[in-house]
Amino acid sequence: AQSVTQPDIHITVSEGASLELRCNYSYGATPYLFWYVQSPGQGLQLLLKYFSGDTLVQGIKGFEAEFKRSQSSFNLRKPSVHWSDAAEYFCAVGLYNFNKFYFGSGTKLNVKP
Amino acid sequence: NAGVTQTPKFQVLKTGQSMTLQCAQDMNHNSMYWYRQDPGMGLRLIYYSASEGTTDKGEVPNGYNVSRLNKREFSLRLESAAPSQTSVYFCASSEVGEGGYTFGSGTRLTVV
Repeated sequence: AQSVTQPDIHITVSEGASLELRCNYSYGATPYLFWYVQSPGQGLQLLLKYFSGDTLVQGIKGFEAEFKRSQSSFNLRKPSVHWSDAAEYFCAVGLYNFNKFYFGSGTKLNVKP
Repeated sequence: NAGVTQTPKFQVLKTGQSMTLQCAQDMNHNSMYWYRQDPGMGLRLIYYSASEGTTDKGEVPNGYNVSRLNKREFSLRLESAAPSQTSVYFCASSEVGEGGYTFGSGTRLTVV
């Protein structure tokens, strides 16, 4: 069965520090991978996606993620966090032609001034 | 602006009441989805419609029905609301090959 695991429920980092949010998946085929961000009271916004090719993908707002097939991981990173990055982050996986995606339970990011 | 529009944004229901959540997209996407979001559980798929005229159950379909009215509109109906259906509901649309969903801003439903 497909599953997506985000092992960290809450993370707190200081403004200016680096960030890494973890995502592990279990999927029977080559997955398509996504990261979304949700600000309080808002819908989800796509940060970045991986379909194929270069395993390091760049997204909006200075985020990047690296696909590691051997570890079944797709971790999200940012070199220097801004206070406006405080939000909840969701990893999602799916199949291209199936067009249905499974979401992790989310990681809430708190940014200390 | 192009996107996914959900109505209403907030709703309070009494147990046993019925209601329909509306969703419309203007991006000409074929696929539409209804998710519910509960604390600590991420997003769980209720129903989806891969294309106009088709609907399929997701992970948590019990207590819900859907209608794909046309390519633009996909509604979610609660026939007899229960407190366990208190949640935030998101509609989304997508197109094969474009990657990822476009989400609406959500409907916060409370069943008392």
